[in-house]
Amino acid sequence: QVQLVESGGGVVQPGGSLRLSCAASAFTFRNYGMHWVRQAPGKGLEWVAVVSTDGGSKYYADSMKGRFTISRDNSKDTLYLLMNSLRTEDTAVYYCAQDLDTSGLFSYFDVRGRGTLVSVSS
Amino acid sequence: QSALTQPASVSGSPGQSITISCTGARSDVGGYNSVSWYQQHPDSAPKLMIYNVNERPSGVSNRFFGSKSGNTASLTISGLQTEDEADYYCSSYTSSRTLVFGGGTKLTVL
Repeated sequence: QVQLVESGGGVVQPGGSLRLSCAASAFTFRNYGMHWVRQAPGKGLEWVAVVSTDGGSKYYADSMKGRFTISRDNSKDTLYLLMNSLRTEDTAVYYCAQDLDTSGLFSYFDVRGRGTLVSVSS
Repeated sequence: QSALTQPASVSGSPGQSITISCTGARSDVGGYNSVSWYQQHPDSAPKLMIYNVNERPSGVSNRFFGSKSGNTASLTISGLQTEDEADYYCSSYTSSRTLVFGGGTKLTVL
């Protein structure tokens, strides 16, 4: 059973930084692209970023570009999201997800974790 | 990248069929057969229901059907069941090599 366990969330002040982690198990992590997706309290889903299998290709939503960095360590089966210059509107539950798109477009994924809550507040 | 447009809510009775629309642009929905649909129950993670416009992952009921015409994709659920009551989100690949979601549709089974 694929498992993805997010961690690293918490309360941070506006302008601060936070690094999220996602520990993967029960599948060959290095063979899959990985996404971050977020959901603000009471709001809809928002795609954040995706990283390719080897970490060489990364794509970001416009509102996160330049502030967030997605990365992975295939030796540790772990995905990361470094978030800088945080804003109150970044408050959300952040989910990591396994990419399932075999075409290479990274167009759909499977969320298996419970997410980690990031709260940006002064 | 603007969010895709979905109706805020739809409703139906058990056994009926409903359709949720998802409207985008030529740069996303209309330009690629890469539309997905996700179901989310309260306090749960989203679940993939449809990918590549009309393909179902293993284990998803064939009561869920996806389609697309021009810049609008649709999710049809037939034979509504109480457990179908949830929020539904469409997603599309875009020309910027990103993904964009719709605002979500709350399905109520009366």
